[in-house]
Amino acid sequence: AQSVTQLGSHVSVSEGALVLLRCNYSSSVPPYLFWYVQYPNQGLQLLLKYTSAATLVKGINGFEAEFKKSETSFHLTKPSAHMSDAAEYFCAVSFTGGGNKLTFGTGTQLKVEL
Amino acid sequence: EAGVTQFPSHSVIEKGQTVTLRCDPISGHDNLYWYRRVMGKEIKFLLHFVKESKQDESGMPNNRFLAERTGGTYSTLKVQPAELEDSGVYFCASSQRGAETQYFGPGTRLLVL
Repeated sequence: AQSVTQLGSHVSVSEGALVLLRCNYSSSVPPYLFWYVQYPNQGLQLLLKYTSAATLVKGINGFEAEFKKSETSFHLTKPSAHMSDAAEYFCAVSFTGGGNKLTFGTGTQLKVEL
Repeated sequence: EAGVTQFPSHSVIEKGQTVTLRCDPISGHDNLYWYRRVMGKEIKFLLHFVKESKQDESGMPNNRFLAERTGGTYSTLKVQPAELEDSGVYFCASSQRGAETQYFGPGTRLLVL
């Protein structure tokens, strides 16, 4: 069985500061890992994904994440937060043998303050 | 290219009534998924279609939920009769055959009173 843990349901950073959103996963088979973002009143948008190629993955809007198998982690980072980054972020895992259905974490609400 | 669309965007119904949600996937996407987020909880998988066939319906809560995908194009999710605990946001996603990336619609916000 797969599971995803996102530490911190709410994270607050200052504009210009580093953004770090944590995600740990559990999977008995090699996983695919994803970060999705949901802006207010919108649907889920794919930020980036890991599918067994490069362990450091770059996504849209300056975000990146590093797959660390030894730590079973896939933390999301951005060097400098912008007000427009305020949204809810979801980490998710799937694997090809499971029809690629996604198992999500509980989400992290990111607040960016001036 | 149009994205995944869902209708309605919001629905408010009374307990015991019936509601039908619709999802139009991206054209050409064989895979169609339904997910649900109950308030305060994680987004959970409901079911997966490959074309018109149900590949995995292990996440369907109970037999009050019926999903169809006639002709392998759009899908409907019917809740009959609706209960209070069915309130939440219902997301639809689609992907190409063999692809791991799913593209999500904006969701339908269902409130059962």
